[in-house]
Amino acid sequence: EPEVTQTPSHQVTQMGQEVILRCVPISNHLYFYWYRQILGQKVEFLVSFYNNEISEKSEIFDDQFSVERPDGSNFTLKIRSTKLEDSAMYFCAGGGTPYEQYFGPGTRLTVT
Amino acid sequence: AQTVTQSQPEMSVQEAETVTLSCTYDTSENNYYLFWYKQPPSRQMILVIRQEAYKQQNATENRFSVNFQKAAKSFSLKISDSQLGDTAMYFCAFMKPLSGNTPLVFGKGTRLSVIA
Repeated sequence: EPEVTQTPSHQVTQMGQEVILRCVPISNHLYFYWYRQILGQKVEFLVSFYNNEISEKSEIFDDQFSVERPDGSNFTLKIRSTKLEDSAMYFCAGGGTPYEQYFGPGTRLTVT
Repeated sequence: AQTVTQSQPEMSVQEAETVTLSCTYDTSENNYYLFWYKQPPSRQMILVIRQEAYKQQNATENRFSVNFQKAAKSFSLKISDSQLGDTAMYFCAFMKPLSGNTPLVFGKGTRLSVIA
C-alpha cells in the first residue's frame, strides 16, 4: 500500500539557518497539507496546497515559511531563518479528495 | 472558529477490555467531517476512523467504532478488545465543510495505555 514519505526523519539546525523539509505524497493525491506539532502539544495546521497554489494558511505560516511542488511530485516546506520556537515535528499530509488526509511519518526539526 | 475538546488527558485499559475516549466540538456548521487519529510512540499520525456529519449511522472500522451525537456535538471513540498495540495518543479532529482543501482542527489528545 503506498504511503506518504518524508525526509529527513530528523534535522538539526542552528538558529538563523534555512531548512527544507521534503515530502513525497501518494501519486494520486491532489490535496496537500503541512502541519506541525510542538512536543507535548496538539497538531497545528500550517498551510494547504492545491493545484500548485496555496489554498489556505494559518497565522503560524508567516513570511519565514514557503511551500513548493518543484517537480510535480515532491512537496517541500522551507523555513528561511529558523528560530528556537520552530523546533517541532512537521507532518506532511495528502489526500485524493478534500475530506481525507493521510499523514507522513513526520520530520523532527531541532533548532539549536 | 471551530474548537475540539478532549477532556481526558490520559486513560488506561486492560488488554481485551473496551475503552471509550470522549471528544466534543463546537461549530455552527451543519455539514462537516470528524476524525480520530492515532499517534503511537513513533509519532506517525494514523487515520483510525472518519464520520460524515450528514450520516446518522455511526462509523465502524473493525474494533474501532464511534458514537456520534450531532445535537450534543459529541464524537466518542470506542475501542473493543483492546490490544497492546493500541497504546498511543489519540486525537479527535474536525474538518469544516469543503471550500477548497480545508485543514483539520485537532484536540489536545488522549494518551491511552493498554495494560497487559
